[in-house]
Amino acid sequence: SSELTQDPAVSVALGQTVRITCQGDSLSNYYATWYQQKPGQAPVLVIYRKNHRPSGIPDRFSGSHSGNTASLTITGAQAEDEADYYCNSRDTSDFHWVFGGGTKLTVL
Amino acid sequence: QVQLQESGPRLVKPSQTLSLTCTVSGGSIRSSYWTWIRQPAGKEVEWIGLVSTSGTTKYNPSLKSRVTMSVDTSKNQLSLMLSSVTAADTAVYYCARAQFYEYVWGSYRYDYYMDVWGKGTRVTVSS
Repeated sequence: SSELTQDPAVSVALGQTVRITCQGDSLSNYYATWYQQKPGQAPVLVIYRKNHRPSGIPDRFSGSHSGNTASLTITGAQAEDEADYYCNSRDTSDFHWVFGGGTKLTVL
Repeated sequence: QVQLQESGPRLVKPSQTLSLTCTVSGGSIRSSYWTWIRQPAGKEVEWIGLVSTSGTTKYNPSLKSRVTMSVDTSKNQLSLMLSSVTAADTAVYYCARAQFYEYVWGSYRYDYYMDVWGKGTRVTVSS
């Protein structure tokens, strides 16, 4: 089981804003990284270093962090944003990384 | 731009060793960090380990006793070996480049994020 907790599923109306959260003790010490994964594809980096976007990622994606919770916000969700989203963080107990269980985002 | 491609046997028998290779193209494997990640069907993503081109390795504690990762700079390849496999090791295996960064959050910290991923290769453990 994950040491990072995510809601299994979230839905959002087209064009609306959605927040996907990730909670865990490690997030009190390390930033979260967020990945988007579409069916049959490899994960794609969308947010790193808490709130940085790689080139090519739309600016509707943003990251934030408070206490032991990290959030990925999509402002004005598009149909192509429908995917699984995973948070990832360095573990505090040892030099390794853990992933959240993933959140399946449905765009209605 | 850097691209990664995993390769290796798709079927491995229980108790044997799973061996995968990741070929790096479009850039050098040198002076970087590389990771292996796996994802069983319908299950959570699991970080397997990290290897640097200087030979430093870090493994997931839950797999540490069975994992070996290495880098061959002459071939621009990294490899993963997982011994004594069982059905629980059936998964899609990915290699990814890990970018190092430092920051201060109360105290000095360092971390990595995976910015380039291979397409993954599905490995089934079955007799």
